[in-house]
Amino acid sequence: KNQVEQSPQSLIILEGKNCTPQCNYTVSPFSNLRWYKQDTGRGPVSLTIMTFSENTKSNGRYTATLDADTKQSSLHITASQLSDSASYICVVSSRGGGSYIPTFGRGTSLIVHP
Amino acid sequence: KAGVTQTPRYLIKTRGQQVTLSCSPISGHRSVSWYQQTPGQGLQFLFEYFSETQRNKGNFPGRFSGRQFSNSRSEMNVSTLELGDSALYLCASRQGLNTEAFFGQGTRLTVV
Repeated sequence: KNQVEQSPQSLIILEGKNCTPQCNYTVSPFSNLRWYKQDTGRGPVSLTIMTFSENTKSNGRYTATLDADTKQSSLHITASQLSDSASYICVVSSRGGGSYIPTFGRGTSLIVHP
Repeated sequence: KAGVTQTPRYLIKTRGQQVTLSCSPISGHRSVSWYQQTPGQGLQFLFEYFSETQRNKGNFPGRFSGRQFSNSRSEMNVSTLELGDSALYLCASRQGLNTEAFFGQGTRLTVV
């Protein structure tokens, strides 16, 4: 069964600090891995996407890494801002039926305090 | 370009009723997928439609169904509602089957 596990479940940091939510997956066959940011009451927004051959991808203050051998990914958030308070969801897609089937992690809930 | 639009935003139904949710994708996007999000289970994939055909389906009972129209708009129907169907239902559209998915704001369904 395809699974995506995220840790920690929640994170509280001070503004300006860094943090790194983690994602472990058992998804086969692997197609790609995305990180999404979901603000409370809104739909998720894509931050990064990585395929098997990519091991790092940046989007502003967000840097995602992927280790396809250990099936782990992380999302490093640099110099956090209050607006970073949100849920960060790891999604791993596998190919099937001519389409791409996503398996979602339950997210890491980040709270940034001033 | 307008984003993904879901209607209604909020809905309250009673057990046993049925409900239909609507999703209008971004113009030019042919794929629409549906997800259920609950605090206990997180986001779960319901199904995906591409060019009016269901391409994939998640592990949900037959009470959950959907369809896509020729203009790519999609509807999701849930029959015989149960309390456990209370959730945020999200729709996402994308241009092709492996391109970035853009999510709508969701429909918050409460079953009482």
